[in-house]
Amino acid sequence: EAQVTQNPRYLITVTGKKLTVTCSQNMNHEYMSWYRQDPGLGLRQIYYSMNVEVTDKGDVPEGYKVSRKEKRNFPLILESPSPNQTSLYFCASRLGTGVNSPLHFGNGTRLTVT
Amino acid sequence: QKEVEQDPGPLSVPEGAIVSLNCTYSNSAFQYFMWYRQYSRKGPELLMYTYSSGNKEDGRFTAQVDKSSKYISLFIRDSQPSDSATYLCAMSADQAGTALIFGKGTTLSVSS
Repeated sequence: EAQVTQNPRYLITVTGKKLTVTCSQNMNHEYMSWYRQDPGLGLRQIYYSMNVEVTDKGDVPEGYKVSRKEKRNFPLILESPSPNQTSLYFCASRLGTGVNSPLHFGNGTRLTVT
Repeated sequence: QKEVEQDPGPLSVPEGAIVSLNCTYSNSAFQYFMWYRQYSRKGPELLMYTYSSGNKEDGRFTAQVDKSSKYISLFIRDSQPSDSATYLCAMSADQAGTALIFGKGTTLSVSS
């Protein structure tokens, strides 16, 4: 089944403890992206990647890192999480860069930083 | 003013009603417009895509773009309980779509 898989689905952590949220897609998509979704703010892009070893900042990159060493994987790294990074995170992928190609989203990771 | 404005609702309608969901935007460079549907505890999924102004129909769904008014709409005919979800509009100024701008989403509830 074609899908974007995020892990974990739920994560509770403490301020400053480094964490990684994994994202993997099995559709051979070039484009991958991370979003956070907050009440009243909607979906905001954190980082995106056009292909292996090509990443770029989105609207809210501060406090996050990403890497794209393999086409299928696009992990999101929080080196020193803070409470304002408590949010619902979505990974998405798309075949190519054309906007008419649909974004395929994972089912989200709910992160709580205390 | 935010780039994309969308009334969060919630919007409650009876089964069979016609639903109108709307977004307004300020950036006249937006040319590509999408509607995503998000069920509870799931990621969004693409529902409709339109380029520039005009209408596009797909089954019970019609997407409408009025670039002169910077206003887009999604109409749902004969609404069903399975249409209960959050609907997000999304826009892009370029065809590459590397940075979609999403609305906050409108939550719709259709009661049987």
